Amino acid sequence: GENVEQHPSTLSVQEGDSAVIKCTYSDSASNYFPWYKQELGKRPQLIIDIRSNVGEKKDQRIAVTLNKTAKHFSLHITETQPEDSAVYFCAASRGFGNEKLTFGTGTRLTIIP
Amino acid sequence: NAGVTQTPKFRVLKTGQSMTLLCAQDMNHEYMYWYRQDPGMGLRLIHYSVGEGTTAKGEVPDGYNVSRLKKQNFLLGLESAAPSQTSVYFCANSRGLSYEQYFGPGTRLTVT
Repeated sequence: GENVEQHPSTLSVQEGDSAVIKCTYSDSASNYFPWYKQELGKRPQLIIDIRSNVGEKKDQRIAVTLNKTAKHFSLHITETQPEDSAVYFCAASRGFGNEKLTFGTGTRLTIIP
Repeated sequence: NAGVTQTPKFRVLKTGQSMTLLCAQDMNHEYMYWYRQDPGMGLRLIHYSVGEGTTAKGEVPDGYNVSRLKKQNFLLGLESAAPSQTSVYFCANSRGLSYEQYFGPGTRLTVT
């Protein structure tokens, strides 16, 4: 089955700086890669996703890049703010016939004021 | 609209007891999922359903059973609870494969 590895497990950045979280996946047939944010004590919520037919997607201060050849994808947060402090999860899915989303183990991001 | 709701929010069980967690949705989504979340291990899929009357095993199904008798409800059962099942359980739904999953608020279960 699919295996998703996520690094780093913890990340601290100064407010205003950028943060990058990286994930690798094992199944070359995977074609959907979402990122979820989970604030302390809350439920996970989707912040951005990318499909395998594009290499990059942006939404304001967040962006995701995908390298299918190397089987890795990354989340980039620019101009970080205190409200970006949370746990971030990457995930991968191969689509129809295997309706499962495999999550990474999470990155705890702390923004230092 | 309530979205995805879970009952109960907290529960403490003794080893060997049984219980059922209820997930309800008012979003009319076909797909529903049960995950468990443990520190340092992310979200692991227990069972899922791609429509009313269907269920399938996920990554960690042992010790759990599920039923999807109605489209809006997905039940997770523990027949004989074990301390290893102490976790936070999240239900989620989506309108289809490779679409956003909407999570419930979670159920914190402790087995002593």
